[in-house]
Amino acid sequence: DTGVSQDPRHKITKRGQNVTFRCDPISEHNRLYWYRQTLGQGPEFLTYFQNEAQLEKSRLLSDRFSAERPKGSFSTLEIQRTEQGDSAMYLCASSLSPYEQYFGPGTRLTVT
Amino acid sequence: DQQVKQNSPSLSVQEGRISILNCDYTNSMFDYFLWYKKYPAEGPTFLISISSIKDKNEDGRFTVFLNKSAKHLSLHIVPSQPGDSAVYFCAASALNRDDKIIFGKGTRLHILP
Repeated sequence: DTGVSQDPRHKITKRGQNVTFRCDPISEHNRLYWYRQTLGQGPEFLTYFQNEAQLEKSRLLSDRFSAERPKGSFSTLEIQRTEQGDSAMYLCASSLSPYEQYFGPGTRLTVT
Repeated sequence: DQQVKQNSPSLSVQEGRISILNCDYTNSMFDYFLWYKKYPAEGPTFLISISSIKDKNEDGRFTVFLNKSAKHLSLHIVPSQPGDSAVYFCAASALNRDDKIIFGKGTRLHILP
């Protein structure tokens, strides 16, 4: 296992379309996090899973966003009816403990 | 309201000299602090961390200092090497409350030959 992987790496979509991103964490990690990063900013927390349970959601996560982690393994982040303001890098991280989170390479979303 | 502040967007340091990256925080509930390094087109990678019960943690060329009374931490890199050129994010967590990590905006470090 070489680390956290994310798919796709880049996604260009038209406004109003739905998109889904996938994150595969490091296999033994029970914690999984989603972040969003825009230009000139640090990663901003979106949501967090411990195993299959979604424990926390940021107020940044509007009702157009939904995340799942079935069976406590991979996770998906879906954005419905995309808007231009959704354009960002979406980062996934996983960890075994709260102390260190290991990040994937991110999915860059461009909404035109 | 930014809880973790990195006031220097960029920093240039001569190769071989010391790089000092600074970070301030406002939330007194933070009890764990981390530094991440990010290269272009990659996710952030964990560099070093410090618990609030310590004031210094060292790992090879990297040392993090924590001044709780001033709500300030710094990352020292010595000697600086060309591969250290990257964006460095300061981050903090209130582990006694949740697992959320709050990141600063980052400082871009340029190591000059």
